[in-house]
Amino acid sequence: ETGVTQTPRHLVMGMTNKKSLKCEQHLGHNAMYWYKQSAKKPLELMFVYSLEERVENNSVPSRFSPECPNSSHLFLHLHTLQPEDSALYLCASSQAGTGGIYGYTFGSGTRLTVV
Amino acid sequence: SQELEQSPQSLIVQEGKNLTINCTSSKTLYGLYWYKQKYGEGLIFLMMLQKGGEEKSHEKITAKLDEKKQQSSLHITASQPSHAGIYLCGADSYNNNDMRFGAGTRLTVKP
Repeated sequence: ETGVTQTPRHLVMGMTNKKSLKCEQHLGHNAMYWYKQSAKKPLELMFVYSLEERVENNSVPSRFSPECPNSSHLFLHLHTLQPEDSALYLCASSQAGTGGIYGYTFGSGTRLTVV
Repeated sequence: SQELEQSPQSLIVQEGKNLTINCTSSKTLYGLYWYKQKYGEGLIFLMMLQKGGEEKSHEKITAKLDEKKQQSSLHITASQPSHAGIYLCGADSYNNNDMRFGAGTRLTVKP
């Protein structure tokens, strides 16, 4: 256990479904991140929350909607996804402003399959 | 944005052999991180390098940073099957709002 917990671990959803991914960290960090990992591609940063405010949105389609109710919880709401959105979605946390000497701490990821 | 190129993309070695993975940045490095990932899992932090010429070791894994070349190398001595996985390098961006990653190097160690 890294201290960052993601649920569910696996998710299969139809293109018309609405689902949410959850991330929770118990490390006292104040920045949280969503990354998308597709086969043979670098990790793609999707969203950054620092001190509970969104600071970066890397032109992610609106069918992905993040929510950060407090510094310990992060959600990714999904609706009307496309098959190409199938990927491993990783959540990470850190002290805001830097990877620091210990880097980001990652959860185990949610493997999403869109059918 | 920061571009990180890793080489090789994949590597198959016999158990006991040494190997090296490289990571080259297109921009100035402010902090270089090495992670290991098992298939379908999250990333596990290995080590962080910040200063030119810095070298760190963790068990049989050694990483070095060449600040002038904007490059880092990860060296594994006497590889074991437990070293198998995907190794990724990451770098802090200038504004420190995010970390960018290379595409990873998939390592297979044959017993």
